[in-house]
Amino acid sequence: GGIITQTPKFLIGQEGQKLTLKCQQNFNHDTMYWYRQDSGKGLRLIYYSITENDLQKGDLSEGYDASREKKSSFSLTVTSAQKNEMAVFLCASSIWGARGTETLYFGSGTRLTVL
Amino acid sequence: AQSVTQPDARVTVSEGASLQLRCKYSSSVTPYLFWYVQYPRQGLQLLLKYYSGDPVVQGVNGFEAEFSKSNSSFHLRKASVHWSDSAVYFCAVNAGAKLTFGGGTRLTVRP
Repeated sequence: GGIITQTPKFLIGQEGQKLTLKCQQNFNHDTMYWYRQDSGKGLRLIYYSITENDLQKGDLSEGYDASREKKSSFSLTVTSAQKNEMAVFLCASSIWGARGTETLYFGSGTRLTVL
Repeated sequence: AQSVTQPDARVTVSEGASLQLRCKYSSSVTPYLFWYVQYPRQGLQLLLKYYSGDPVVQGVNGFEAEFSKSNSSFHLRKASVHWSDSAVYFCAVNAGAKLTFGGGTRLTVRP
């Protein structure tokens, strides 16, 4: 088995601040994802990466940057934190398999609070 | 375009009762279908998935789901719930481009 570790678990920042969330996986999976979870709205894809140094925008990429410098890690930066983006950010990984069939494995999340 | 609707935001049942959580999808092709569960303060975990074949698929912990092409549905069922099943359940679909999640159903099981 493997694990996805997200740090920090809780992140508090000031409005306008640049904030970075980190994710590490030891599954040796190719693909990694960042999702934003807002209460009652399901999960929305921010960025994903199918291999080291690859980045693909999701539906919610505006206001965020991502970085995949190693296969095992994927970082997300909130470029200018806003109060309306307080949410839980979930990192996930999967094997790059037959398109659409991948099982995602999730971390336990980073809860972002903006003051 | 694809979309997923979970019409019940919250469901409360008594321990030992049967359960059905509803999921309706919209897609131009038959998608791959998933149910994930999120226990408190944890990430999501896969319960079960459907690609093709028998429309009833079995998952972990006694859960099953039934695919209906005519109704565009993928409802989750359990014959007898336990208090430990209290969690948020997400239906998700993938028609080949990306995974789209429903808004989730929060299940509370009363002892």
